[in-house]
Amino acid sequence: DAGVIQSPRHEVTEMGQEVTLRCKPISGHNSLFWYRQTMMRGLELLIYFNNNVPIDDSGMPEDRFSAKMPNASFSTLKIQPSEPRDSAVYFCASSLSAAQETQYFGPGTRLLVL
Amino acid sequence: GENVEQHPSTLSVQEGDSAVIKCTYSDSASNYFPWYKQELGKRPQLIIDIRSNVGEKKDQRIAVTLNKTAKHFSLHITETQPEDSAVYFCAASESGTSYGKLTFGQGTILTVHP
Repeated sequence: DAGVIQSPRHEVTEMGQEVTLRCKPISGHNSLFWYRQTMMRGLELLIYFNNNVPIDDSGMPEDRFSAKMPNASFSTLKIQPSEPRDSAVYFCASSLSAAQETQYFGPGTRLLVL
Repeated sequence: GENVEQHPSTLSVQEGDSAVIKCTYSDSASNYFPWYKQELGKRPQLIIDIRSNVGEKKDQRIAVTLNKTAKHFSLHITETQPEDSAVYFCAASESGTSYGKLTFGQGTILTVHP
C-alpha cells in the first residue's frame, strides 16, 4: 500500500501566483481531508469529502481557497491568488469510511509564499 | 461543534520517566479518541486510539485512559526514550455521524532528555 500521496512536497511561489496542491488517497478510502498546519494555529481542518462530495468547507479561510475531488483517487486544493500568510504545511489525509475514523496522513506539502 | 483542549503545551522529562498528556472534550456524543505523534518535519501518525465502550487501552509503553463522565482522556507513556520526543495530538470524533471528521487538540511538545 503506497499510503496517501501528495505533490509537490515543497512549493515556493511569489505572492499573487496560483498554487495547486494534489492528493491521492489510499485506494478504497471514502473520506478525504485537507488540513493546514502552522506554528500559530496548529492543525486546522480546511475541508473534507465523503464519496467525492464536499461535506464541510467551513474551515476554508476565504474565497481564495478552493478544493475539488473529481474522482475517488484524486483531489486538489487551489489557492488563487496566494499570499505570504498562506505559507504553511498542507496535509491531506484519508480514512476508510465514516464509521472507520482512523485518518492516514500524507507527507504534506510545505508551501512558502514570498 | 466539538472543542478539544490539550495540556500541557510543552512537557520535558528525563529518559526513563513517565509522561502524561491530558485532553478534555465538549461534545458528549463523541465516542472515538485517537492520539497522533508527529516527529519534526514528518506527518502525524496514529499511535493509539480508544472508543467510548472501554476505559483504558495499552500498547507496550503507551496507554490511554478515558473518563466519559468527566469528558477527558489521557495519554500515558512509561519508560520514556529520546525517540519519544515529538509533538503529540489528541483528537475526538463522533463515530458514524461526522463522516470521520476529527477535532484535534493544540498539541503537546514532548522532549525526553537522555
